[in-house]
Amino acid sequence: QVQLVQSGAEVKKPGASVGVSCKASGYTFPSYYMHWLRQAPGQGLEWMGVFNPGRADTNYAQKFQGRVTLTRDTSTNTFYMELSSLRSEDTAVYYCASEDYSSYYYGMDVWGQGTTVTVSS
Amino acid sequence: EIVLTQSPGTLSLSPGDRATLSCRASQSVSSNYLAWYQQRPGQAPRLLIYRAAYRATGIPDRFSGSGSGTDFTLTINRLEPEDFAVFYCQHYGSSPRFTFGPGTKVDIK
Repeated sequence: QVQLVQSGAEVKKPGASVGVSCKASGYTFPSYYMHWLRQAPGQGLEWMGVFNPGRADTNYAQKFQGRVTLTRDTSTNTFYMELSSLRSEDTAVYYCASEDYSSYYYGMDVWGQGTTVTVSS
Repeated sequence: EIVLTQSPGTLSLSPGDRATLSCRASQSVSSNYLAWYQQRPGQAPRLLIYRAAYRATGIPDRFSGSGSGTDFTLTINRLEPEDFAVFYCQHYGSSPRFTFGPGTKVDIK
C-alpha cells in the first residue's frame, strides 16, 4: 500500500536551516502531488507548498516564499523540504502528504507520520 | 483567500451521542473543494470526507458531510471512543492551495 515515511526529529538553532525527507513507496500511479504542511504546538494545520512530480515544479505559500525549497530524488522517490533562516516560530511538526489528483478528492489522502522540528538557542 | 471558521471550538459529548460540527467559509465555495479531516492526539490527520459529502476509503458510515455555499457540516452518529479527536475542515484553492479551519475538538463529557 502507499506509504510515506519521514525522517527523524531535528533540533536547530535560530538562523540555521533544516531538511526533512519523505520517502514515498507503493505509488503505482504518476498522478499525485506531494504537499508539505506544518502544525505548531497546540495549533492547526498550515499548508507550506507542493511539489509536482509529473513536471518537477513547485508552488509555495506566499508566507514561505524565499525560505522553503521542495525537491525530489527520483532514484529513491524521496521528497525533501528545506526551510532556511529558522526562528522560534518555526517550531512545529512538519508533514508530507500526497494528493491523488486523479481521484478528485481535492484533499490529501496519504500522510507521513510527521517530523518534529524544534528551533531553540 | 478563503477563510474558514469552525464551531464550536470544543464539543463535549458521550459515547453514543451525535456530534454536529460546523464549518463556515468567508465566501461561497464549491462543495467540490471542501474536505474534512480527523486528527487523533499524536497522529497525523486522516482524510474523512471529500467533496463535502463523500466518505474517503475506509471511513465508517457513521461519518457524513453536507452543505453548500458557505455552510458545511460534519455529522458523526453514535460516537465511538476512537472518534474523540480534533476535526478540521479544509478548502482547496489556487493560492494557497489548501486552507484549514482552526478545528473543533470533540472530547468526552
